[in-house]
Amino acid sequence: SQQGEEDPQALSIQEGENATMNCSYKTSINNLQWYRQNSGRGLVHLILIRSNEREKHSGRLRVTLDTSKKSSSLLITASRAADTASYFCATSDTGGFKTIFGAGTRLFVKA
Amino acid sequence: NAGVTQTPKFQVLKTGQSMTLQCAQDMNHNSMYWYRQDPGMGLRLIYYSASEGTTDKGEVPNGYNVSRLNKREFSLRLESAAPSQTSVYFCASTKLAGANTGELFFGEGSRLTVL
Repeated sequence: SQQGEEDPQALSIQEGENATMNCSYKTSINNLQWYRQNSGRGLVHLILIRSNEREKHSGRLRVTLDTSKKSSSLLITASRAADTASYFCATSDTGGFKTIFGAGTRLFVKA
Repeated sequence: NAGVTQTPKFQVLKTGQSMTLQCAQDMNHNSMYWYRQDPGMGLRLIYYSASEGTTDKGEVPNGYNVSRLNKREFSLRLESAAPSQTSVYFCASTKLAGANTGELFFGEGSRLTVL
C-alpha cells in the first residue's frame, strides 16, 4: 500500500488564488518531498522538508510538516495557469532507502 | 548534461513476451529506482538499488527483475509480460540514500502496452 495519501484528489481554482494540498503518511519518516508532474512528463522535485523541520519556503511554495499528525501541506500562493499539473508527496523511511509516493492531487488553474 | 535517460520511450508487447527497459544517469548518483505509474495510483516502487552492486524489492516487485549493471545503469526486465503490466515506467536516481536522501531525478518515462 502507498505511504502517502494526498487530499484533495483534484482541485480547480482561478488564477491568482492560493492552492492548498495535504498529504498524510503512515510510518516514521526521514524526510518528506513534494514533486510536480506535467501531463505526459516525468516528475520534477519541488521541495524537501526533513523530519526535524516544521516549515519551509521556496518562492511561491510553502510546505509544513506535522510529524505528530503524520501530515504535510503544500501551499502554492498566487497560482498561475502554468501551475496546472499533478502534485505528489513522497516520503523516505527512516532507513532512507525507499522513497514512496502518494496518489497525487491534480491541480487545474483557470486563467 | 542529459540527466536520466530511459529507453525505449514506447513499446507494445504481446502477452508472454519479454523485454528490458534501460535506464542510465550521468550525474554520478549512487541510488537508482524503478517506479510504475497507473492512472489514479500515483507511483509505486518496483525495485531500487541503494548503491552499485545492491538491489532490493520495493512495493510491487512480482513479475520483474532488475540489474544494476554499473553505477550509471539500472535495467528493468519483464520475463513474461502480462496485460496487468501495462503502465508507464519511470526510472529515477539520487546522489545519496540513507539518512541524507535527497531529491530524486526522473526520466521522461517508458510507456508499455501489453496486449
